Amino acid sequence: DAGVIQSPRHEVTEMGQEVTLRCKPISGHDYLFWYRQTMMRGLELLIYFNNNVPIDDSGMPEDRFSAKMPNASFSTLKIQPSEPRDSAVYFCASSSRTGGRGEQFFGPGTRLTVL
Amino acid sequence: AQSVTQLDSHVSVSEGTPVLLRCNYSSSYSPSLFWYVQHPNKGLQLLLKYTSAATLVKGINGFEAEFKKSETSFHLTKPSAHMSDAAEYFCVVSDRDGGYQKVTFGTGTKLQVIP
Repeated sequence: DAGVIQSPRHEVTEMGQEVTLRCKPISGHDYLFWYRQTMMRGLELLIYFNNNVPIDDSGMPEDRFSAKMPNASFSTLKIQPSEPRDSAVYFCASSSRTGGRGEQFFGPGTRLTVL
Repeated sequence: AQSVTQLDSHVSVSEGTPVLLRCNYSSSYSPSLFWYVQHPNKGLQLLLKYTSAATLVKGINGFEAEFKKSETSFHLTKPSAHMSDAAEYFCVVSDRDGGYQKVTFGTGTKLQVIP
């Protein structure tokens, strides 16, 4: 398996623009997680899905952020409109409840810069 | 409810000396515990995991951790630090919450290795 795939790896955009981050989890995994990492706030869980259904989105900072998982092999995290304080590295991770008991496999991350 | 506390935000050791990164957890059930490592500008990589088998867990790169239920601890150790061990380390607890898998990350410990 290729592991968790994220795209793009780097994104530079201007304030007010819409940003869409993409994630392909490991095949067969039924959990998908979105994290944000900054120097100031460390690693934050934004939202996670189980079997494509959002379970806990309490970490989503505000309504400008939204996440979807239309099928088991694809998820998006959208920011609209983007702001400079959204600049961070965004990680996607997936896991399987039945195997590994919670071990998460992380993607390489998307480094977002909002100017 | 579950939580994880990494007692030191920064640890500095000399090359060739032992490493100890401390982690305490709380969990209502029988948790799984993990250590992840993140090198600068990289994603997170699983170092080792405890899933109710042997309490002393060996991981990659010579690291190991011991699950101590009575102390609710899962400290990470290595007999001799190498320069390449300089990174940030995250302790993670995972257990069931309302039928779903819930995962909580610690705030991280940055390990500095001095030549």
